[in-house]
Amino acid sequence: GIQVEQSPPDLILQEGANSTLRCNFSDSVNNLQWFHQNPWGQLINLFYIPSGTKQNGRLSATTVATERYSLLYISSSQTTDSGVYFCAVDTFQTGANNLFFGTGTRLTVIP
Amino acid sequence: ETGVTQSPTHLIKTRGQQVTLRCSSQSGHNTVSWYQQALGQGPQFIFQYYREEENGRGNFPPRFSGLQFPNYSSELNVNALELDDSALYLCASSAEPGQGGHYGYEQYFGPGTRLTVT
Repeated sequence: GIQVEQSPPDLILQEGANSTLRCNFSDSVNNLQWFHQNPWGQLINLFYIPSGTKQNGRLSATTVATERYSLLYISSSQTTDSGVYFCAVDTFQTGANNLFFGTGTRLTVIP
Repeated sequence: ETGVTQSPTHLIKTRGQQVTLRCSSQSGHNTVSWYQQALGQGPQFIFQYYREEENGRGNFPPRFSGLQFPNYSSELNVNALELDDSALYLCASSAEPGQGGHYGYEQYFGPGTRLTVT
């Protein structure tokens, strides 16, 4: 199946700092989503972004499908941004709309 | 708009037992997918249901089975539980399955069921 690599695996930031999370994938994708998993396990949708750029408040994301990577930008980080961020993709080759997840980036924002 | 709901929240079972987990899809969604998330890992796709039939399956044995009902809700059944089945089980729904040459539809996840097998 498709390989999804996320970097960095862990990130510690001071409140107010900016960060960039990266997701590399090994095949053409027809779906790419970014999620934030809170401490209770809930996956919260951040972006549906198989290509292009989107912004939502302090968060923005860019996917360059031809170069097989996506970036998630977090600006002016807050303690509530802490948690694990997952990138998940699906390919045109699979028979079902199933997502392949990376291993995540664990973000800790300290006051 | 009602989001994806799952029940129960937590469950403790003994090795060899059987378990049923339930999921109600978001309103307007007809496709349900199930994922298993082991501790420290990303979720892994188990299977998807569309029009009450299995519409794709990940690398899970046949003792993992499912159902989808006419109202699009779904069940995940696991027989002969093993210790390694201990995990967070996540259900996701989408408006359509989105396959072949089409762009996939955005998936929305429920809060999960945490299963512990002792």
